[in-house]
Amino acid sequence: EVQLVESGGGLVQPGGSLRLSCAASGFTFSSYAMSWVRQAPGKGLEWVSSISGSGGTTYYADSVKGRFTISRDNSKNTVDVHVSSLRAVDTAVYYCARVYCAGDCFLDNWGQGTLVTVSS
Amino acid sequence: DIQLTQSPSFLSASVGDRVTITCRASQGISSHLAWFQQKPGKAPKLLIYAASTLQSGVPSRFSGSGSGTEFTLTISSLQPEDFATYYCQQLNRFLSFTFGQGTRLEIK
Repeated sequence: EVQLVESGGGLVQPGGSLRLSCAASGFTFSSYAMSWVRQAPGKGLEWVSSISGSGGTTYYADSVKGRFTISRDNSKNTVDVHVSSLRAVDTAVYYCARVYCAGDCFLDNWGQGTLVTVSS
Repeated sequence: DIQLTQSPSFLSASVGDRVTITCRASQGISSHLAWFQQKPGKAPKLLIYAASTLQSGVPSRFSGSGSGTEFTLTISSLQPEDFATYYCQQLNRFLSFTFGQGTRLEIK
């Protein structure tokens, strides 16, 4: 069974930083790209970042480019995102999701999310 | 990037009703569309991918159709557990994803 468990969220002041982590199990981790998706309170889903299975290629939404850094450790089956220069608009539940590609790509398994609150 | 527009944004229906949600893409995306269900406080759950393929374990009352720029998600007979928010999603270039704005389905 695929399991994704996020951690690392919390309350942080504007301009601060956090490292969010996602621990994966139940599949061959290095064979899959992974993504982070966030959801602000009462709002819709927003893709944030993706990383290839090898970790060699990363992608970011324009809204977080230069402030967020995604990484993965295939020996530990974890994918992290370092979020910095945080703003109030970054307040959201952050989900990690597995990217499944078979002619098309979609997010087939999601973690339960970790809440990041940016406030002074 | 391709934009996805869902309609309606809000839908009120009764148990047993047949409901349809539409997702329109700003340009043609073949059949590269997925649908998700999200309940309050929970992670999104994949329902359909490749526009019409039902994810394993999803009840057959859910179906998807469409290609190009117009897609639909249909629930043939609403059950109490189906009241939730639904999102469409497609892959942009380079492993970036776009979501529709969501359709909130509530009990009438």
